[in-house]
Amino acid sequence: GAGVSQSPSNKVTEKGKDVELRCDPISGHTALYWYRQRLGQGLEFLIYFQGNSAPDKSGLPSDRFSAERTGESVSTLTIQRTQQEDSAVYLCASSLVSGGRNEQFFGPGTRLTVL
Amino acid sequence: AQSVTQPDIHITVSEGASLELRCNYSYGATPYLFWYVQSPGQGLQLLLKYFSGDTLVQGIKGFEAEFKRSQSSFNLRKPSVHWSDAAEYFCAVGGMNTGFQKLVFGTGTRLLVSP
Repeated sequence: GAGVSQSPSNKVTEKGKDVELRCDPISGHTALYWYRQRLGQGLEFLIYFQGNSAPDKSGLPSDRFSAERTGESVSTLTIQRTQQEDSAVYLCASSLVSGGRNEQFFGPGTRLTVL
Repeated sequence: AQSVTQPDIHITVSEGASLELRCNYSYGATPYLFWYVQSPGQGLQLLLKYFSGDTLVQGIKGFEAEFKRSQSSFNLRKPSVHWSDAAEYFCAVGGMNTGFQKLVFGTGTRLLVSP
């Protein structure tokens, strides 16, 4: 596709369940980012992948959060034992080359609601 | 610590009137500055960016922003607002202090356009 895609667009889950969120970056983009956007808040950085380098996980809020990326393609963000405070929109972005000078292209997000 | 402040949570502007959205940042090095727009159900779209050079930058959709180092500001302006500009606007900062990859976002300003 032409842009970053994310699935599902909406996810409602019960507290304690695990969820997986998927991101398909723009083809050829080597860098991939996950952000969390809580209601009324800005975006919080979660994790960053660049090629085959070790990911920067410094933004993950707890060990219940993890993410994987296969090569330079799809990424999956997994939240285990979800809590109500995990409710947010999870945004994925990709860029052609890492570095602040490169534009990050964002997907439409996955809205997660934990009941 | 790096931070971005957008002091206005909501702004209402009449169609055809001028617009200025405020952004102040705290960053210990030369900042890279960005403005993104988020329409309902959409991902973030980059409006403009500042890296260096001319402090007045032009973006898409008729927007411009001015970097003022002495005021640590990067305010977004548009001379004549259109109804389609109604959206949420985010200012973000990046650069060496955040490892280039990570952007620090403000909490956003929601723009409402009245007829």
